[in-house]
Amino acid sequence: SAVISQKPSRDICQRGTSLTIQCQVDSQVTMMFWYRQQPGQSLTLIATANQGSEATYESGFVIDKFPISRPNLTFSTLTVSNMSPEDSSIYLCSVARGGLGTDTQYFGPGTRLTVL
Amino acid sequence: GDSVTQMEGPVTLSEEAFLTINCTYTATGYPSLFWYVQYPGEGLQLLLKATKADDKGSNKGFEATYRKETTSFHLEKGSVQVSDSAVYFCALKVAYGGSQGNLIFGKGTKLSVKP
Repeated sequence: SAVISQKPSRDICQRGTSLTIQCQVDSQVTMMFWYRQQPGQSLTLIATANQGSEATYESGFVIDKFPISRPNLTFSTLTVSNMSPEDSSIYLCSVARGGLGTDTQYFGPGTRLTVL
Repeated sequence: GDSVTQMEGPVTLSEEAFLTINCTYTATGYPSLFWYVQYPGEGLQLLLKATKADDKGSNKGFEATYRKETTSFHLEKGSVQVSDSAVYFCALKVAYGGSQGNLIFGKGTKLSVKP
């Protein structure tokens, strides 16, 4: 398994501001994933972050809105920029462990964001 | 594209009842299949997984069998407890070429177990 921590665990923010979410993993991983879970919905992948390269964003998500840093193999940040109430969600960090085709993804506890 | 369909909730059961949550999938490759659980106020936890046809994943009394012929991965438990109340997500992942692939989730099924 993997031990993943996120900071902050929750926050309430004003419209137009930005929030940076931190994700720390207990050991080195190549790929880290950022997901969004809107209220009452399933998880949607925002982007995949590899250390040493630009993050790869899924359709509907852009770097200007969700910039990601990946400075080393155990840490990543996701920033939610210029927030609006529609950004109110749980944001989850995830890592994969195991071999190609049989790997398992583990999730952090999530950051619950409310935008007023 | 790849997708997961699971039964809509909410599902309400009495304690010690039998649970089935249906999950079917569509995938162009050979997926690994997962059930994740999200307890109230907590993060997402892996419940069980199966990586090839006819594999059975099991954990905490829950079971699911990878059925390639019916493209299904139904979650079952013989006797549910109040503590099983949570949202359950079925998910798949397909590795393409040298890529790990992305985890694709169903919409989730909320289970409430009454004493």
